[in-house]
Amino acid sequence: KNQVEQSPQSLIILEGKNCTLQCNYTVSPFSNLRWYKQDTGRGPVSLTIMTFSENTKSNGRYTATLDADTKQSSLHITASQLSDSASYICVVASPAGNKLTFGGGTRVLVKP
Amino acid sequence: GAGVSQSPSNKVTEKGKDVELRCDPISGHTALYWYRQRLGQGLEFLIYFQGNSAPDKSGLPSDRFSAERTGESVSTLTIQRTQQEDSAVYLCASSKGQLNTEAFFGQGTRLTVV
Repeated sequence: KNQVEQSPQSLIILEGKNCTLQCNYTVSPFSNLRWYKQDTGRGPVSLTIMTFSENTKSNGRYTATLDADTKQSSLHITASQLSDSASYICVVASPAGNKLTFGGGTRVLVKP
Repeated sequence: GAGVSQSPSNKVTEKGKDVELRCDPISGHTALYWYRQRLGQGLEFLIYFQGNSAPDKSGLPSDRFSAERTGESVSTLTIQRTQQEDSAVYLCASSKGQLNTEAFFGQGTRLTVV
């Protein structure tokens, strides 16, 4: 069973445009939520980490939001660049052993 | 080294052979994770080590899979009697182990079973 669901599975956007990726989770208890970027053939790289008390966090052109009440998170990419083409993975950490549960990812393709 | 190191980077093996994958975590990181990623799929949790605690093996798909870690250093993931469905990228990550600390990933080992 997948306790972290992401949508859409994939999207194509034009360079310079914005986009928003969604993440819903049922993992409980919950200690933090992370967004990772995974380039093709590479390991995931962390973009943001948010605890349940944080509702937004930015990293450059990436802004993540978290609603711990509804168990939803989003990742907003502003003014997309070709280098943003990658898979974006939502990850929820449990306090018990800090176990990470991964979503299936959203594959983003930025076209010129 | 500065990051998580995995070896080999690529491994091609014949069906039925055993393989051993290695992960060198970042020095001082007490937590170590193994994940599997099939082509075009998300990451599947395999096993988690945290310090001297008993590892969380709940993600291992069968008894052909096993992993060891000596103290807070190197970990090896062993797959016995490999099957074609074992073909995937095996990713290792490490973290300091405390809550809300970042996990850093290696580049992965791409395993192909022919």
